[in-house]
Amino acid sequence: GDSVTQTEGQVTVSESKSLIINCTYSATSIAYPNLFWYVRYPGEGLQLLLKVITAGQKGSSRGFEATYNKETTSFHLQKASVQESDSAVYYCALSSNTGGADRLTFGKGTQLIIQP
Amino acid sequence: NSKVIQTPRYLVKGQGQKAKMRCIPEKGHPVVFWYQQNKNNEFKFLINFQNQEVLQQIDMTEKRFSAECPSNSPCSLEIQSSEAGDSALYLCASSPVGEQYFGPGTRLTVL
Repeated sequence: GDSVTQTEGQVTVSESKSLIINCTYSATSIAYPNLFWYVRYPGEGLQLLLKVITAGQKGSSRGFEATYNKETTSFHLQKASVQESDSAVYYCALSSNTGGADRLTFGKGTQLIIQP
Repeated sequence: NSKVIQTPRYLVKGQGQKAKMRCIPEKGHPVVFWYQQNKNNEFKFLINFQNQEVLQQIDMTEKRFSAECPSNSPCSLEIQSSEAGDSALYLCASSPVGEQYFGPGTRLTVL
């Protein structure tokens, strides 16, 4: 089946420094799945951060960006300069794109801790 | 921000008891999903509906779990006989087509 791997359970970054959260995927149901980043801020529900449905394209939102790399099957999340308000748990996810009602397959999440 | 409403936010049940949770999807979203997120942060898809009809469901859902999405009423997920392993965060998501928008979840604790 499909799977998403986030290698780091927790990442600690100093405020104003750059960030990368790793995500790789394996999609057996479809060659080019849709890719997503979701975020859960403390005390809040899961929110869509960004999505990319075309291989080779970049998605961006709130200063974060991720590029759909079909060669390395990766979708790493990056930000040039993090802020304390970015502290949250980030989830990478994929879905097949066969009709719009397809389930999401999530990674286990990466907790981002920002040091002042 | 998502407008998916889930109730109750917290649910505590004894083993063998029924547990029922509800979800009101965003207006105009024809597709509804239920997921279970366990204490290890692992998500498990349970079932999805499109316009009140079941599209897919996993084997676990077919046995102790039941769900429905009637027109003009909230969707619901019910566990007939709760087990300790059912303790988890249950997430409802609705979708216009494509991305999914999640509610805050119902945290079920089975004692």
